[in-house]
Amino acid sequence: IAGITQAPTSQILAAGRRMTLRCTQDMRHNAMYWYRQDLGLGLRLIHYSNTAGTTGKGEVPDGYSVSRANTDDFPLTLASAVPSQTSVYFCASSGAADTGELFFGEGSRLTVL
Amino acid sequence: GQNIDQPTEMTATEGAIVQINCTYQTSGFNGLFWYQQHAGEAPTFLSYNVLDGLEEKGRFSSFLSRSKGYSYLLLKELQMKDSASYLCAVGDSNYQLIWGAGTKLIIKP
Repeated sequence: IAGITQAPTSQILAAGRRMTLRCTQDMRHNAMYWYRQDLGLGLRLIHYSNTAGTTGKGEVPDGYSVSRANTDDFPLTLASAVPSQTSVYFCASSGAADTGELFFGEGSRLTVL
Repeated sequence: GQNIDQPTEMTATEGAIVQINCTYQTSGFNGLFWYQQHAGEAPTFLSYNVLDGLEEKGRFSSFLSRSKGYSYLLLKELQMKDSASYLCAVGDSNYQLIWGAGTKLIIKP
């Protein structure tokens, strides 16, 4: 593993199903983030974690949850997927919460039907 | 509210120079960032400005005027591989990044 790994890279999901997007980093970064990217819109922050054991809500947290049990992993869960959650999801990390140089995973393309 | 504005799309010729503008209104300011994103890929960091002025890094330069809420990214000696989206982002008072929608740059031979 080098950098940030996301899984799955792509998924088609029926509405109402539960889904967890996985994110693992090997850079020992304290801060991690989940964004969604939709056509015509900027990246929007869903949830973040400044350090292991803490999480916070971003701009669009409804319908999503996260956990940060350790430094490396930051999974994003959709408890009951809806079509409006169709998007590309990016996980990112940074060495400190007050720096803007983020390192991104390759993204997870999720389609909810 | 918080807002980042940048042009949706720009076209330029290989070998030429292009300037991509970004204006912002945010609650607080903790730096302005430019990222490059090729189609279907993740964004990658290009530059960071926290003080007024020009930061040069090879063929790419970024300028900031905090009093005007304005930045630009200057790309020189354009190459076909520079075809990508360029994302402007501003760190707000909570150090969270507020992102523009991105400028799609098309390079023609």
